[in-house]
Amino acid sequence: IAGITQAPTSQILAAGRRMTLRCTQDMRHNAMYWYRQDLGLGLRLIHYSNTAGTTGKGEVPDGYSVSRANTDDFPLTLASAVPSQTSVYFCASSDSGTSGWGTDTQYFGPGTRLTVL
Amino acid sequence: GQNIDQPTEMTATEGAIVQINCTYQTSGFNGLFWYQQHAGEAPTFLSYNVLDGLEEKGRFSSFLSRSKGYSYLLLKELQMKDSASYLCAVEDSNYQLIWGAGTKLIIKP
Repeated sequence: IAGITQAPTSQILAAGRRMTLRCTQDMRHNAMYWYRQDLGLGLRLIHYSNTAGTTGKGEVPDGYSVSRANTDDFPLTLASAVPSQTSVYFCASSDSGTSGWGTDTQYFGPGTRLTVL
Repeated sequence: GQNIDQPTEMTATEGAIVQINCTYQTSGFNGLFWYQQHAGEAPTFLSYNVLDGLEEKGRFSSFLSRSKGYSYLLLKELQMKDSASYLCAVEDSNYQLIWGAGTKLIIKP
């Protein structure tokens, strides 16, 4: 593995189903993030984690949950998917996160294209 | 509220120079980032400015004026592979990135 990987690449999901998007990084970065990207809008932060064992809410957290059991993995779960969650989801990581220490540059995974019908 | 403004789309000619502007209003400022995103791909880091002035990196340069809440990305000697979206993002007082919607740059031969 080099950098950040996400799985699946794409998924079509029936409304009401539960779905977990996976994200793994091998750069030993402290911070990880989940964004969604919709046409005409900027990337919007869903949840973040500054370090293993801690998580925080971003701009659009409703309907999503995350966990950070270790440094490398940061899964995003949709408990009961709705059509408005159709989007492209990007996972990212950085040295420092919102602690303000270290390098803030975020590096992105290839994305997951999710369609909820 | 927090706001990042960029033009939606720009067109330029191969070999020319193009300037993509970004204005911002955020709660605090801890730096400004430019990312490039090709269609269907992930954003990739281009530049970071935290002090006023110009940062040059090969064919790409980025300028920042904190007093004006303004930045631009300058691309020289345009190549067809530069056709992409360019995203401006500001790190606010909580060290979270606030993203613009991006500028789609179309390069014509």
